[in-house]
Amino acid sequence: DTAVSQTPKYLVTQMGNDKSIKCEQNLGHDTMYWYKQDSKKFLKIMFSYNNKELIINETVPNRFSPKSPDKAHLNLHINSLELGDSAVYFCASRQGETQYFGPGTRLLVL
Amino acid sequence: LAKTTQPISMDSYEGQEVNITCSHNNIATNDYITWYQQFPSQGPRFIIQGYKTKVTNEVASLFIPADRKSSTLSLPRVSLSDTAVYYCLVGDEGTNAGKSTFGDGTTLTVKP
Repeated sequence: DTAVSQTPKYLVTQMGNDKSIKCEQNLGHDTMYWYKQDSKKFLKIMFSYNNKELIINETVPNRFSPKSPDKAHLNLHINSLELGDSAVYFCASRQGETQYFGPGTRLLVL
Repeated sequence: LAKTTQPISMDSYEGQEVNITCSHNNIATNDYITWYQQFPSQGPRFIIQGYKTKVTNEVASLFIPADRKSSTLSLPRVSLSDTAVYYCLVGDEGTNAGKSTFGDGTTLTVKP
């Protein structure tokens, strides 16, 4: 009964491929996020999404797109993967001012 | 957006009290201050949150001065298992979703 889950845990792929990372939360929260954590451990928000509004960090390339089939899911699609996309991607959901993070997806682009 | 600054790393010994300070000079009126702990290969985990003065829970205390331009996370009597990266987050997600700012994290190493 994990609160926020992500799949896959690891993802190794070639440059130019398109991939997706799935996220599910069973907390009933209205807002979900995607974060990118680079090799220096810096956490950067990519998207904030609820059933009404998508907030995009202006530094995120449009190759990245969130898709939410329902309130409990926020998937991340990445087109034309680049070497610099290699990082750990975290999904999170929010209640009030507290965020609950998933275990992360480690993406390696070769 | 409130920019946050934390020390890159800190060392401590078991049983000591550790204080980690985060600077957020341009914090907005409605912004909250939240601290997260991250162990290797895991997602960040909520530790404590405050708006002003002092907050204490079973894990830590959070001290926020009157001007709110900084905050200090206090971990009493740390153990080896407290070795982790600690992040402060400043923002008001309820009103400005997606605009909160994480600090760059403080790597705390607790030695025996």
